[in-house]
Amino acid sequence: EVQLVESGGDLVQPGGSLRLSCAASGFTFSSHTMNWVRQAPGKGLEWVSYISNSGNTIYYADSVKGRFTISRDNAKSSLYLQMNSLRDEDTAVYYCARVVRGYSYVFDYWGQGTLVTVSS
Amino acid sequence: DIQMTQSPSSLSASVGDRVTITCRASQGISNYLAWYQQKPGKVPKLLIYAASTLQSGVPSRFSGSGSGTDFTLTISSLQPEDVAAYYCQEYNSAPTFGQGTKVEIK
Repeated sequence: EVQLVESGGDLVQPGGSLRLSCAASGFTFSSHTMNWVRQAPGKGLEWVSYISNSGNTIYYADSVKGRFTISRDNAKSSLYLQMNSLRDEDTAVYYCARVVRGYSYVFDYWGQGTLVTVSS
Repeated sequence: DIQMTQSPSSLSASVGDRVTITCRASQGISNYLAWYQQKPGKVPKLLIYAASTLQSGVPSRFSGSGSGTDFTLTISSLQPEDVAAYYCQEYNSAPTFGQGTKVEIK
């Protein structure tokens, strides 16, 4: 069974940093592109970042470019999101999402999400 | 950036009704369109990709159509368990989601 389990969400002050993790199991992690998608409270979905299966290709949404860094450790079947210079508008549930093989941004499995709250 | 506009933003229909949600892209995206269902308090679930390909395990009452800029998600016979928000998502470029359509039972 495919499982994605996020962790690391917390309450942080504006300007602060946080590192999210996503532990994957039940599939060959190194074969799949992975993404982070977020959802502000009561709002819709927003794509955040993409990392290819090898980690060699990375993309970011304009809203987080220069502040967030995506990475992965295929040996540990884990995905990460380093979040710096956090802003109020980064408050959201952050989901890691697996991509359907052969597609770049079709998300077939989602974790349960981890809540990041940016507030003073 | 491509903008995705869904309509309506919410709807209320009776059990057994045929329900249609539309999604319009601000520029042509071929068939690079997915639909997701998010039940209250739950994680999004992939329903359809490539505009009309049903994800494994999704009931056949769900169907998708369209190409270019105009797309539809149809629920042929609405069931109580279909109460959810539905999102379209383009993946022709950096992915963008529609604002969502909330479906309720009348």
